[in-house]
Amino acid sequence: NAGVTQTPKFQVLKTGQSMTLQCAQDMNHEYMSWYRQDPGMGLRLIHYSVGAGITDQGEVPNGYNVSRSTTEDFPLRLLSAAPSQTSVYFCASSEHPSGLTYNEQFFGPGTRLTVL
Amino acid sequence: SQKIEQNSEALNIQEGKTATLTCNYTNYSPAYLQWYRQDPGRGPVFLLLIRENEKEKRKERLKVTFDTTLKQSLFHITASQPADSATYLCALDPPGSQGNLIFGKGTKLSVKP
Repeated sequence: NAGVTQTPKFQVLKTGQSMTLQCAQDMNHEYMSWYRQDPGMGLRLIHYSVGAGITDQGEVPNGYNVSRSTTEDFPLRLLSAAPSQTSVYFCASSEHPSGLTYNEQFFGPGTRLTVL
Repeated sequence: SQKIEQNSEALNIQEGKTATLTCNYTNYSPAYLQWYRQDPGRGPVFLLLIRENEKEKRKERLKVTFDTTLKQSLFHITASQPADSATYLCALDPPGSQGNLIFGKGTKLSVKP
């Protein structure tokens, strides 16, 4: 199993450009999410999905779109990049929690994005 | 809103000693609390999960405690090694969670030989 994979590892954008960060998992996990990590801020949830066709907003969704057409893939789209979106982005997945059986999250290696 | 705080940004200890990291939360009590390890340039890696009805959990040299009265979790690494140097994150489920987690900012542990 490759686990959670993310591409690209590094990206530099100009203000106003758009791009898609790719995330894929091969563990058949229902739950997937996107976080951004900034110095002094910790991990903050952007969007999440509890299954194919279902997405919802997290703590900091503005400027980002997601879709979940398959169980495996959960791309994150930056519509019009801004310098405030300079960050490290992590994708994570876990088995969908049922009742009190909550499972750990598996994280990808991250994408380091710089917006000039 | 739910807040989660890790008291120390950094902790320096000598090899062989026990490292103790603290995680405090406010407002409601979570159903469970998780600890993760993050190395520079990498994603977090899950270490341990402790549920609200569990006082203590162990895994090899790691021990986690959960005190719902104090709203606190302690994370211990016994016989610490330089290889344990990393940032450790605690995380809990917010109200109405569908699997989402709130993360603390982390404590950077440095173990000196």
